[in-house]
Amino acid sequence: DVKVTQSSRYLVKRTGEKVFLECVQDMDHENMFWYRQDPGLGLRLIYFSYDVKMKEKGDIPEGYSVSREKKERFSLILESASTNQTSMYLCASRTEGGRLDEKLFFGSGTQLSVL
Amino acid sequence: TQLLEQSPQFLSIQEGENLTVYCNSSSVFSSLQWYRQEPGEGPVLLVTVVTGGEVKKLKRLTFQFGDARKDSSLHITAAQPGDTGLYLCAGGNNAGNMLTFGGGTRLMVKP
Repeated sequence: DVKVTQSSRYLVKRTGEKVFLECVQDMDHENMFWYRQDPGLGLRLIYFSYDVKMKEKGDIPEGYSVSREKKERFSLILESASTNQTSMYLCASRTEGGRLDEKLFFGSGTQLSVL
Repeated sequence: TQLLEQSPQFLSIQEGENLTVYCNSSSVFSSLQWYRQEPGEGPVLLVTVVTGGEVKKLKRLTFQFGDARKDSSLHITAAQPGDTGLYLCAGGNNAGNMLTFGGGTRLMVKP
């Protein structure tokens, strides 16, 4: 069965800390995504990657960066965490895009609290 | 920026009732997906519709894509407690490589 694994289910960090959120997929997918989910706002795209060492900004990249050194791993980095980055973070992957019926496979999410 | 609005935001019903949730936009989408997210889990795809006017059924769930491909609906017949969750619609852009998510409808079905 396909699997997207996020390293932490819950994280509590302090303002100003550097935070790493890790995501690993075992499906050999080319595309990987980081979303944040806030009540009533749905999922908003932070960054995505179409292939190793490639990255593209999504709709809300400010305050975040990403790293994709290996195909299976996509990391989200909060350079200096702030309280407005408290949120649920979801990682997703899929095969190469371009087909209308492509679906995203999501991890279980990381609930980050920044105090 | 393409926007998708879902309504209602919250819905609490009794087991056995029928319900419809809506996903609306002023933009045209090339495809429309519906996901369900249960507590503590990531969203899971239920269905993809790609043709204007298309109707798809998944057991007690009926999905429809509007003729103009700007809106969609999800109808659940005889809801069960297992249907409880957050329902998200997501519209695909013309290139088919990016999704825009709606804000979600949180459904609770009471036994």
